[in-house]
Amino acid sequence: AQSVAQPEDQVNVAEGNPLTVKCTYSVSGNPYLFWYVQYPNRGLQFLLKYITGDNLVKGSYGFEAEFNKSQTSFHLKKPSALVSDSALYFCAVRGGLYSGGGADGLTFGKGTHLIIQP
Amino acid sequence: NAGVTQTPKFRILKIGQSMTLQCAQDMNHNYMYWYRQDPGMGLKLIYYSVGAGITDKGEVPNGYNVSRSTTEDFPLRLELAAPSQTSVYFCASSGANSPLHFGNGTRLTVT
Repeated sequence: AQSVAQPEDQVNVAEGNPLTVKCTYSVSGNPYLFWYVQYPNRGLQFLLKYITGDNLVKGSYGFEAEFNKSQTSFHLKKPSALVSDSALYFCAVRGGLYSGGGADGLTFGKGTHLIIQP
Repeated sequence: NAGVTQTPKFRILKIGQSMTLQCAQDMNHNYMYWYRQDPGMGLKLIYYSVGAGITDKGEVPNGYNVSRSTTEDFPLRLELAAPSQTSVYFCASSGANSPLHFGNGTRLTVT
């Protein structure tokens, strides 16, 4: 069975500072990793994904994530936080053959509230 | 381009009532999913479909049913509502090698 852990319920960062939201995973075979963001009363929006290739993945709104196979981690990062980045962030994983969402969907972490203070 | 559309946005049910949550997508995606989101618990997969006429259970299917008669529509049925089904429900769709696209959710309260 695959699983995702987001060890922090909440991350507080001052505006302009770098931010990191942590994610570790467990999966059989090659991992396919995703980050999504959720704003209040909205559905999840795709930020970025890692399928293969370069371990540093760049996504929407200036976010990036670093895949580390030895540590089974996929931490989300941004060099300079904005107040508008405040939201709920989800890491997700699936293993095996990648085909869109996959026949069995994605496994999500519990989410991390990111709060950017002015 | 509407993407994934869910109706209704909010609903209050009494215990034992039934209802159908509607989901429609206009992206011609083969894969569709129903998740529920509970505070601090992330998203749990209820049911999924890989194409019209094909559905399968996810992690938490008990108390729910689905159908997929067309590529566009994937309704979720609650037959006998229970307080444990109070949640926010999200429908999502995806094509081959593409991320999931989510609707804006249905907030359901069962009292």
